[in-house]
Amino acid sequence: GNSVTQMEGPVTLSEEAFLTINCTYTATGYPSLFWYVQYPGEGLQLLLKATKADDKGSNKGFEATYRKETTSFHLEKGSVQVSDSAVYFCALIRETSGSRLTFGEGTQLTVNP
Amino acid sequence: DTEVTQTPKHLVMGMTNKKSLKCEQHMGHRAMYWYKQKAKKPPELMFVYSYEKLSINESVPSRFSPECPNSSLLNLHLHALQPEDSALYLCASSQHVILGTEAFFGQGTRLTVV
Repeated sequence: GNSVTQMEGPVTLSEEAFLTINCTYTATGYPSLFWYVQYPGEGLQLLLKATKADDKGSNKGFEATYRKETTSFHLEKGSVQVSDSAVYFCALIRETSGSRLTFGEGTQLTVNP
Repeated sequence: DTEVTQTPKHLVMGMTNKKSLKCEQHMGHRAMYWYKQKAKKPPELMFVYSYEKLSINESVPSRFSPECPNSSLLNLHLHALQPEDSALYLCASSQHVILGTEAFFGQGTRLTVV
């Protein structure tokens, strides 16, 4: 079946540090890949997406590249801010699973001033 | 407008109460979803509506009853809930129930069952 594995958190960084959150997936076919962010007390917001191999999704300084050869979709940001503190979820939709989002367990990021 | 609006934001209910959660979107999306999220966990899919018809029920107990009155509205009727049903309930919508169509989530209803 489908699965998404994220690096375990929590992750704590200082402001302006470089961020990487690893995400690997297991799915047959050609899934679409997403990163969602959840700020404290809020719902999920779509951060970025990629729908085919070698696509790069980007938004608000965050980037992730769909790597089919390594089945990965790692999230990166060059310089994090305190306001980036949140939980980040990697997710996929498989072509034959309709609307079912498969989520990773989430990674808690805390950025200190 | 990429907004999904959920009401109420918070809800406390007793185990014998009947209450409803409401969700609204005006993006013209034809697929709408209910998810349940426990603390420090990812959301779990409960129901999917496609073109106002229930297409997926993930074996959810009957004390949760979804309703889709029209293409913009989605309700979740609650009755005889248990304390373990306390969670964040998230509504989402997407253009269609097809590959690559990203889902937009609401802010959620924080439900506490006492």
